[in-house]
Amino acid sequence: DAGVIQSPRHEVTEMGQEVTLRCKPISGHDYLFWYRQTMMRGLELLIYFNNNVPIDDSGMPEDRFSAKMPNASFSTLKIQPSEPRDSAVYFCASSLSQGVVETQYFGPGTRLLVL
Amino acid sequence: KQEVTQIPAALSVPEGENLVLNCSFTDSAIYNLQWFRQDPGKGLTSLLLIQSSQREQTSGRLNASLDKSSGRSTLYIAASQPGDSATYLCAVSGGSYIPTFGRGTSLIVHP
Repeated sequence: DAGVIQSPRHEVTEMGQEVTLRCKPISGHDYLFWYRQTMMRGLELLIYFNNNVPIDDSGMPEDRFSAKMPNASFSTLKIQPSEPRDSAVYFCASSLSQGVVETQYFGPGTRLLVL
Repeated sequence: KQEVTQIPAALSVPEGENLVLNCSFTDSAIYNLQWFRQDPGKGLTSLLLIQSSQREQTSGRLNASLDKSSGRSTLYIAASQPGDSATYLCAVSGGSYIPTFGRGTSLIVHP
């Protein structure tokens, strides 16, 4: 398996623009997580899905952020409108749970810079 | 709310030393604890996962221990190598399955 795939790897945009980050989880995994990592706050969980259903989005900073998982092999994280404070590395991770909590596999991340 | 603390925040050691990285958490009602490695500009790679019923896990030169009652875990790295240079993060998962990450320990092993 190719692992968790994220695109784009780098994104530079101007304040106010819409940003869409994409993630393809490992085939067969039933959990998908979106994280944000900054120097100031470390690694924060934004939202996670189980079987394509959002379970907890309490980490989503505000209404400008939205995430979808239309099928088991694809998820998006959208920021509209983007702001400079959204600049961070965004990670997607997936895992397989078979009654016990399994390890998470992380993608390489999308480095977002909002000017 | 679970809080995870990692000490030290940074560590620089000569090659060959045995290392201990520490992780502490405030809520002992956990399902598991994981240690991850993150290389600069890269994602996280899971090193070891310890279920709440376990006391330790080993993989090669790495050994992780878990003491739930005291809310502590240690990652032991034997005979450190320059290739071990990275940031090491500890993550604790509880009943909600939401992992809480520490801020990490940045390790440099110099030749």
